[in-house]
Amino acid sequence: EAQVTQNPRYLITVTGKKLTVTCSQNMNHEYMSWYRQDPGLGLRQIYYSMNVEVTDKGDVPEGYKVSRKEKRNFPLILESPSPNQTSLYFCASSLSTANEQFFGPGTRLTVL
Amino acid sequence: QLLEQSPQFLSIQEGENLTVYCNSSSVFSSLQWYRQEPGEGPVLLIALYKAGELTSNGRLTAQFGITRKDSFLNISASIPSDVGIYFCAGKGTYKYIFGTGTRLKVLA
Repeated sequence: EAQVTQNPRYLITVTGKKLTVTCSQNMNHEYMSWYRQDPGLGLRQIYYSMNVEVTDKGDVPEGYKVSRKEKRNFPLILESPSPNQTSLYFCASSLSTANEQFFGPGTRLTVL
Repeated sequence: QLLEQSPQFLSIQEGENLTVYCNSSSVFSSLQWYRQEPGEGPVLLIALYKAGELTSNGRLTAQFGITRKDSFLNISASIPSDVGIYFCAGKGTYKYIFGTGTRLKVLA
């Protein structure tokens, strides 16, 4: 089944403890992206990747890192999480930038 | 870049039509409409690529403005399963900007 998977789905952590949220797609998509969703603010793009080893900042990249070493995986790294990074995170992928984005199921992160 | 979406909330009776609007001061290469159900990621409803383009998908119709800065989504004959949050999303060269969403409630 064609899908975007994210792990974990739920995570509660403490300030400063490094964490990684994984994202994987099985559709051979070139474009992948991370978003955060906060009440009243919609989805905001954190980082995106046009292809392997090519990444760039979205609108809210501060406090986040990403890597794209393989086409199928696009992990989101929080080196030193803070409470203002408590949010719902979505990974998405598309065949190219001109195509429909498919979203993962979301990761709800709470930073205490 | 900002995408203003209106209304924020919409509560209608089953069978009624509704329209959601999306406006920006920025020009986009394409504009997409998504629907999000509780606990899930957004799902694409309609994608618009050409200025002035009018596209339908069943009971849904959307148009991309001539200036590429605005759009509307119309849903006709609403049904209870239309509930959710509707987002517009404008795409620049590589980046996406999402509207703040319209939460739809359909009363049976």
